[in-house]
Amino acid sequence: AQSVTQPDIHITVSEGASLELRCNYSYGATPYLFWYVQSPGQGLQLLLKYFSGDTLVQGIKGFEAEFKRSQSSFNLRKPSVHWSDAAEYFCAVGDMDTGRRALTFGSGTRLQVQP
Amino acid sequence: SQTIHQWPATLVQPVGSPLSLECTVEGTSNPNLYWYRQAAGRGLQLLFYSVGIGQISSEVPQNLSASRPQDRQFILSSKKLLLSDSGFYLCAWGQFATDTQYFGPGTRLTVL
Repeated sequence: AQSVTQPDIHITVSEGASLELRCNYSYGATPYLFWYVQSPGQGLQLLLKYFSGDTLVQGIKGFEAEFKRSQSSFNLRKPSVHWSDAAEYFCAVGDMDTGRRALTFGSGTRLQVQP
Repeated sequence: SQTIHQWPATLVQPVGSPLSLECTVEGTSNPNLYWYRQAAGRGLQLLFYSVGIGQISSEVPQNLSASRPQDRQFILSSKKLLLSDSGFYLCAWGQFATDTQYFGPGTRLTVL
């Protein structure tokens, strides 16, 4: 079965600094990978997704992620963080092998942005 | 464009009372539908998914149930709530071919 690990529970960065959130997955074949963001008390918003092709994926709000098969990673990056980026970020892998088509999520990384 | 609705947004219920949460999707047909629960400070746990009307699959044994009476309607129910049912419940719809899922605004359930 697939799994997702987000090793950083909580990260604090200064506004304007660069950001990298780590995600490692376990999956037998080429995975479908996703990053979602959740503001407090809100639903999840899709930031970006990787299915195939170019391993560097661009998303909304200036985020990008890079798929590295050799490292089983899909890290999320942003060159300059804004205060509005403070939220919780979830990495997920899609289940293509069965009919459930459900996502397996990591436990999330909470981002705090200092002024 | 597609829209997903959930209601109510917030709910406070006593232990032992029934539950009904509703989710509807607009702008798409025959979507996959999902119920997730997010406990405080935790990730998302898949509870149920449905690939069509009347087709429900349960991921974890519990006192919750789900139904899909119409193509774009997904209902989460319980006959008797437990304290452990408290959490943030998220409905999502998905595109079968790409696994992409889109989430509703969620329902905050507090069982007292």
